[in-house]
Amino acid sequence: ETGVTQTPRHLVMGMTNKKSLKCEQHLGHNAMYWYKQSAKKPLELMFVYSLEERVENNSVPSRFSPECPNSSHLFLHLHTLQPEDSALYLCASSQEMSARSSYEQYFGPGTRLTVT
Amino acid sequence: DQQVKQNSPSLSVQEGRISILNCDYTNSMFDYFLWYKKYPAEGPTFLISISSIKDKNEDGRFTVFLNKSAKHLSLHIVPSQPGDSAVYFCAASARTYKYIFGTGTRLKVLA
Repeated sequence: ETGVTQTPRHLVMGMTNKKSLKCEQHLGHNAMYWYKQSAKKPLELMFVYSLEERVENNSVPSRFSPECPNSSHLFLHLHTLQPEDSALYLCASSQEMSARSSYEQYFGPGTRLTVT
Repeated sequence: DQQVKQNSPSLSVQEGRISILNCDYTNSMFDYFLWYKKYPAEGPTFLISISSIKDKNEDGRFTVFLNKSAKHLSLHIVPSQPGDSAVYFCAASARTYKYIFGTGTRLKVLA
């Protein structure tokens, strides 16, 4: 596997379910990100991890819970979601994460989530 | 309030001609800009970047131009190929990990 992979690619869940999205990067990067892309809206940054430490939580509701067990893996745990949470969830990684410089981010294919 | 705007939701270009995709920004602190390409059912793919110390960056058929005074950047694809048909996103950052993305422009290259 190369690049950034995400599973599952599609997920349909009810509002009372609990599910997890998985992301894995094979690039040797130190930073990982979760983004949400809703229809007709720009990508929204949700969470940022650098060397397994969370450095950003962009006012995301607590029904979304991230986990980063190591620098290659990132999870997004979902519970009691709402229909408006239906969106494309994208994982990305970058070589480093810095508050003083920018690095290109490399994206996975995304998980298309539908909440019924 | 969108800090990064792609005002053209779609663009059609004949194969072999030039495609010009535009992006405007409002935050004068932005100093690093990226373009991404996205095919259906795939994640965005990094295409090309430019730092504010430059006004042009080239990579093969792709050239990005930055006009800081106008707060405008553009992506030129020459010559356009049918495989370039995708959604193109611009993104900007103020030298941090936080990128602000535009809503994208769908490019269709006609054979």
